[in-house]
Amino acid sequence: EPEVTQTPSHQVTQMGQEVILRCVPISNHLYFYWYRQILGQKVEFLVSFYNNEISEKSEIFDDQFSVERPDGSNFTLKIRSTKLEDSAMYFCASSEQPRGYTFGSGTRLTVV
Amino acid sequence: AQSVAQPEDQVNVAEGNPLTVKCTYSVSGNPYLFWYVQYPNRGLQFLLKYITGDNLVKGSYGFEAEFNKSQTSFHLKKPSALVSDSALYFCAVRDFNAGNNRKLIWGLGTSLGVNP
Repeated sequence: EPEVTQTPSHQVTQMGQEVILRCVPISNHLYFYWYRQILGQKVEFLVSFYNNEISEKSEIFDDQFSVERPDGSNFTLKIRSTKLEDSAMYFCASSEQPRGYTFGSGTRLTVV
Repeated sequence: AQSVAQPEDQVNVAEGNPLTVKCTYSVSGNPYLFWYVQYPNRGLQFLLKYITGDNLVKGSYGFEAEFNKSQTSFHLKKPSALVSDSALYFCAVRDFNAGNNRKLIWGLGTSLGVNP
């Protein structure tokens, strides 16, 4: 069964550094998403991406964040100048109705 | 505004007994409804979804859910719980009429514990 692949599985970074979280969505999917889950809390929507542009973003997704689909297969989330409160599990997902959403296994980001 | 409520933080059942994890939702249009399960230190795993059609939806691992439009509910059920079902369960909704804005709105999650 097709999978969404996320790398790395765990990233530790120093506060103020930039990180790039990588995702390979399912190849024939057209909609891509990033969500995050702070430890022990609910899953939060960050951004959705369709037709090579952001279709929706949440209040969390401020200028610190950006997304890119650089080569037609990867879908990246860049976090500039990381803060302690950015520590979370970041999930990538892709969708193509009617199959629903498929999530990757997540990247655990730890900002120290 | 779209929202999802999972009124129980924790549900505990004995192995072999039926289980129910509750979910109610609010959307402006017709809902797409989903259940995901998360095992410790793992990702979000799809269980089942309601898009249209039969109100009773069957999914993975023997789980099922019933869409009740009048009660705006989508409770997750299983006739006979297993210890291995112990995990965190998330209900999520998407507004069918949202066009290209297809984000999922999530409940807070319900921790299911199945006792041997």
